[in-house]
Parts: sequence; structure tokens; C-alpha cells
Amino acid sequence: QKEVEQDPGPLSVPEGAIVSLNCTYSNSAFQYFMWYRQYSRKGPELLMYTYSSGNKEDGRFTAQVDKSSKYISLFIRDSQPSDSATYLCAMREQAGTALIFGKGTTLSVSS
Amino acid sequence: DAGITQSPRHKVTETGTPVTLRCHQTENHRYMYWYRQDPGHGLRLIHYSYGVKDTDKGEVSDGYSVSRSKTEDFLLTLESATSSQTSVYFCAISEQGGVETQYFGPGTRLLVL
Repeated sequence: QKEVEQDPGPLSVPEGAIVSLNCTYSNSAFQYFMWYRQYSRKGPELLMYTYSSGNKEDGRFTAQVDKSSKYISLFIRDSQPSDSATYLCAMREQAGTALIFGKGTTLSVSS
Repeated sequence: DAGITQSPRHKVTETGTPVTLRCHQTENHRYMYWYRQDPGHGLRLIHYSYGVKDTDKGEVSDGYSVSRSKTEDFLLTLESATSSQTSVYFCAISEQGGVETQYFGPGTRLLVL
């Protein structure tokens, strides 16, 4: 079993939809959780960063972490065509340890 | 891309030839990383550096070496390129390498024929 599982999609939604992206993980020691967005032929860019369990909101984006279920989510409200990209979850145990990535979910938002 | 450049951006080479990829940062961050990204595997860490001349191996380090003689530059060398090293290579940086997250460069597309 891979440490981090992420459905590759593709996920296609109409403009304005609420999008839910998810990752599950097996390592209960993970404490730091991130979401990156990667446009085609570009490097990943950080979207959200969360420590431990709970929610974090930034504009149209909300990150949720449920450590008891080993499950993290990224919600995108009022999705836009410009949100079309691959979304990567990433996590690490503690300072100085490796960042472990999911394989990414490809999202397409149609206008 | 957070003051990170990678060169070359694209390269085609032949099996058995040495290849060096360069990552240059203007952020004065201490930590630098090399990843490869492949379909079905996601991003995997090759090597990282936690200071000048200080490097360590990542998950997929076989066939790769690195060097860091200056804070701003981190070189990745494929000593004898193989077709399995065809990939997109990303450099990343972080300020301390601890809880701080990593910022990625634009990537280098390498094709080994």
C-alpha cells in the first residue's frame, strides 16, 4: 500500500460547481499537510498548508484534515475554468522529514 | 516560481551520455531538492541539500549524483543516462527544511533516447 493515495481523475465539472479533492494516507505520524496546484507544463505551486487536524480557509479554497480517518480534502467553491489543473496533496511527519506526494488529481472546469 | 530557475528547460540526449541539470535560486534558501515526476508515480525525491556541500539521498537516488558548491546553485548529474531516466525534473527550495513548505521551479523535460 502506497503511503499516500489520491484518485487521479480526471474530474470534470461545470463552472460554478463545488469541487472536492481528497487524499488518504496510511502513516499516522504525518502532521503537516499541503495542497499544490500544477498547471500543465509548469511547476507545482503551493495552495494550502495545514498543521494537524482541522480546517483552513483561503478565499474559495478550504482544506480539511481528519487525522482520525487519515483523510484530507480540498474544497473549491465557485469553481472557475482557471482552476483547471492537477492538484497534488503532500504531507510530512515532522521538521526535516521528506515530503510525500500523492500522484495528483486532474481537474477540468468547463465554462 | 519563487526566484528559481532551471536549465536547460528541455533536453534530448542519448543513452550512456552524462547529463547535468542546473537549479539556481535567488532566495538564499538553505534547502534545495531535486524531484522527478512521472505518470503513475507522482513526484519523487531524488536528492536534497541542506547547505553548501551538504547533500543526502532521497527515495530514487540510484543513477544520480548532486553537488552544491554555492548556496544558490544545485546541480543534478546523470552519470550515464538511461531511458528510464526520461522524466520531468523539478528543483525545489525551502528556507529551513523543517515545517516550511517547498517552492518549485519550472521543471526540465529530459528525453533519453
